[in-house]
Amino acid sequence: DSGVTQTPKHLITATGQRVTLRCSPRSGDLSVYWYQQSLDQGLQFLIQYYNGEERAKGNILERFSAQQFPDLHSELNLSSLELGDSALYFCASSVEGTSGAQISSYNEQFFGPGTRLTVL
Amino acid sequence: GQNIDQPTEMTATEGAIVQINCTYQTSGFNGLFWYQQHAGEAPTFLSYNVLDGLEEKGRFSSFLSRSKGYSYLLLKELQMKDSASYLCAVRSWGAGRRALTFGSGTRLQVQP
Repeated sequence: DSGVTQTPKHLITATGQRVTLRCSPRSGDLSVYWYQQSLDQGLQFLIQYYNGEERAKGNILERFSAQQFPDLHSELNLSSLELGDSALYFCASSVEGTSGAQISSYNEQFFGPGTRLTVL
Repeated sequence: GQNIDQPTEMTATEGAIVQINCTYQTSGFNGLFWYQQHAGEAPTFLSYNVLDGLEEKGRFSSFLSRSKGYSYLLLKELQMKDSASYLCAVRSWGAGRRALTFGSGTRLQVQP
């Protein structure tokens, strides 16, 4: 158990719908990352939040958005869903250093169990 | 941009040793991670290299050569439970970029 929780575990919905995925990071971790993993594909970085602010953006579609709340949990919102959005969505957390500081420790990311989204 | 290459699939025998290679191209290199991922499960951290050389951790070792943009993960005394995908990931510094870029993963099949 990594200490990162994600809900729901499974989600089945129809095209055109909107869903919200939730992630609670490990206690003490300030950074949250969202990844998408489609069938037989690698992990694609979507977006990172650090202490409530957007830190980095990857290949995130405009139909997708995220936020991190004061209690550090994060939500990923997916709208106007398409069949191709079916994937495993992982959230990860890390301690992360202060802004601009070189991280000298591992600072590895700990992954949650993922949410499997199926769009029919 | 960043580019990470690793073999798609490998097969090895229980009890043997296997080496999974990873080559990368990036600017602002700040560490290379190896993760293990069983099908349908979350990736779990295996190792981290930021300086050249070998890091050993039980049956798993990871090597890094920054000048060559090359790393490998060495798995010794293979067990059936080692059948999984192994993901190489690079962390780099840049304007606003602190996330990891993952390779597509190497699916390892351990046979009896």
